[in-house]
Order: sequence, then structure tokens, then C-alpha cells
Amino acid sequence: DAGVTQSPTHLIKTRGQQVTLRCSPKSGHDTVSWYQQALGQGPQFIFQYYEEEERQRGNFPDRFSGHQFPNYSSELNVNALLLGDSALYLCASSLRSGVAGELFFGEGSRLTVL
Amino acid sequence: GQQVMQIPQYQHVQEGEDFTTYCNSSTTLSNIQWYKQRPGGHPVFLIQLVKSGEVKKQKRLTFQFGEAKKNSSLHITATQTTDVGTYFCAGQGWSGGYNKLIFGAGTRLAVHP
Repeated sequence: DAGVTQSPTHLIKTRGQQVTLRCSPKSGHDTVSWYQQALGQGPQFIFQYYEEEERQRGNFPDRFSGHQFPNYSSELNVNALLLGDSALYLCASSLRSGVAGELFFGEGSRLTVL
Repeated sequence: GQQVMQIPQYQHVQEGEDFTTYCNSSTTLSNIQWYKQRPGGHPVFLIQLVKSGEVKKQKRLTFQFGEAKKNSSLHITATQTTDVGTYFCAGQGWSGGYNKLIFGAGTRLAVHP
């Protein structure tokens, strides 16, 4: 049973460029949440996707957008990259239904913006 | 919006000493979860607390959820070097029928042998 997989694991971009990060949730999970974790900080909630729609959004600008596909996989897109976007981007999958909202995290995509 | 505060930010202990981290939410939570992140790793789920006043134990780890469901604590008895990492609490509230998990800044634990 594969867990949450993310790609790429590492990438380097320059200011102003655009990036797309990908996530495949744990088998059987239907909800994908994206988090940004700066060095030494806790994960910051970006948004959550369920049934191919954005259901919840954190305090992130419109430069951050996403998508969920019918197979529940998801993409995170960031446009017009800033130096401050350098961080570990974590994808977490879960089941929407019920109280048990345990998140299963992937290994993350470490983005460096130069 | 919902905020989760965690203290202390950092603690170093001698192996065998106890360790406690505290978590406070600005709003009442439906439940609270605890995660551990090893250096260079990703957060890994430890436990979820749902009921007011709930206490759960996992070997040397004791988790508590406050009566008002706005605070929580994690206590580790007799720390070991394998306990090294950052411990995050994460509060879950409901909005419009969809859950959202908000993480605290974490407490980084260093254990000296």
C-alpha cells in the first residue's frame, strides 16, 4: 500500500518563474491538503481539495493555486515566485468523512527560489 | 482566524529527564492532533484527542486535552535519544462541513546522552 508520494523532491527556480508540484494521496484517501513549511517553522495551511474543488484556503495569495484530478491526485502551482516562497511543500492526504482527520504526509518537495 | 500557539519553542534535556510541551488554541477545537517530525523528515501522526478532558498514553508519552477543548499538552517521561525531533500540535476545527488542521510552530526537543 503506497503512502503519499510527492514529486519532485527538490527543485531550484529563479524569481518570477512558475512551479508545479505534484501529489498522489494514500490509497483510499479522497482529500488532499497542501502545507508550506519554512525552515524552523510549523506547516502553514495553504488549501484543501475534495471532490476536485478547493474547500478550504489559508492565508496565501492568489499566486498559489491548485487542482485535484478525478483519481484524487493533486497539483500545487505557484506563479511569479518570490524568494520568500523557498520552503518545504508538504502534501497530506486524509478522508473527509468522520472525526478521524489524521493526515498522512508525503516526504515533501523542497523548493529553493534564487 | 484560528491560531494555535505552542510553547516552548525549543528545549534541550539530559537523557532520562522529562519533557513537556503545551499547546493553546484561540478557538474551541473539534479535536487536536499531535505529530512528530524528525530532522530532515516529514510530520508523522502520533495521536488524536477528541473528548473534553481526555488523557491518552503511548508508552512514555502522555497526551491531555483540556476541559474547554482549547489547550493540550504532551509529556514524555524519561526521554531517550530516539525522542529527538520537533513535536507539533495541530488543532482541527470545522468550517462549512470541511475540516482544516492548523499547526502550531512546534517544540524542538534535543536530548543529550
